[in-house]
Amino acid sequence: KAGVTQTPRYLIKTRGQQVTLSCSPISGHRSVSWYQQTPGQGLQFLFEYFSETQRNKGNFPGRFSGRQFSNSRSEMNVSTLELGDSALYLCASQDSGVGAARREQFFGPGTRLTVL
Amino acid sequence: AQKVTQAQTEISVVEKEDVTLDCVYETRDTTYYLFWYKQPPSGELVFLIRRNSFDEQNEISGRYSWNFQKSTSSFNFTITASQVVDSAVYFCALNQGGSQGNLIFGKGTKLSVKP
Repeated sequence: KAGVTQTPRYLIKTRGQQVTLSCSPISGHRSVSWYQQTPGQGLQFLFEYFSETQRNKGNFPGRFSGRQFSNSRSEMNVSTLELGDSALYLCASQDSGVGAARREQFFGPGTRLTVL
Repeated sequence: AQKVTQAQTEISVVEKEDVTLDCVYETRDTTYYLFWYKQPPSGELVFLIRRNSFDEQNEISGRYSWNFQKSTSSFNFTITASQVVDSAVYFCALNQGGSQGNLIFGKGTKLSVKP
């Protein structure tokens, strides 16, 4: 099976712009989670989607949003970019719904976002 | 509140040394799940092991071993006879039984194995 793929791998934007990142989960996985990784805050959970519905959300401002499509692919969007949004954004896919907490998540290579 | 603490920010060892990475967690739930992930320089997090709160049995997988102790809320990871390829950042993570897909990560421990 192919792993989790994320596009683009690298992105440079300027303050005030918006950005959309894409994630394709492992085939058959219906849950997709997004994480932000920065040197200061470490790995922080953004949100999780399951069957096109947001099932869980972390403590991030409304500028961060996401969605999931019927084929389980997910996108996250950040509007009005700030310098502090520079980070590695990681997507993870997980096998299904019930009992999800006990199953491991499989991570993609991430998208490195730089905000100038 | 849930929390994962990895007190060791960086560890440097010489090849073939044994090294233990510490992980202490906090949760009020009786059902929870603990994980270890490895992040090599490429950036992708690689799953290593999962342990649930009802299973305190230690595990060994090749050069890797894990010691889970509920009494001290610890889930430590030992690499025996370390190799240069073990150099990476290692993360301990916690997921409560009722939550879905939300991993709480520690800050990570950067392991450098020198030849």
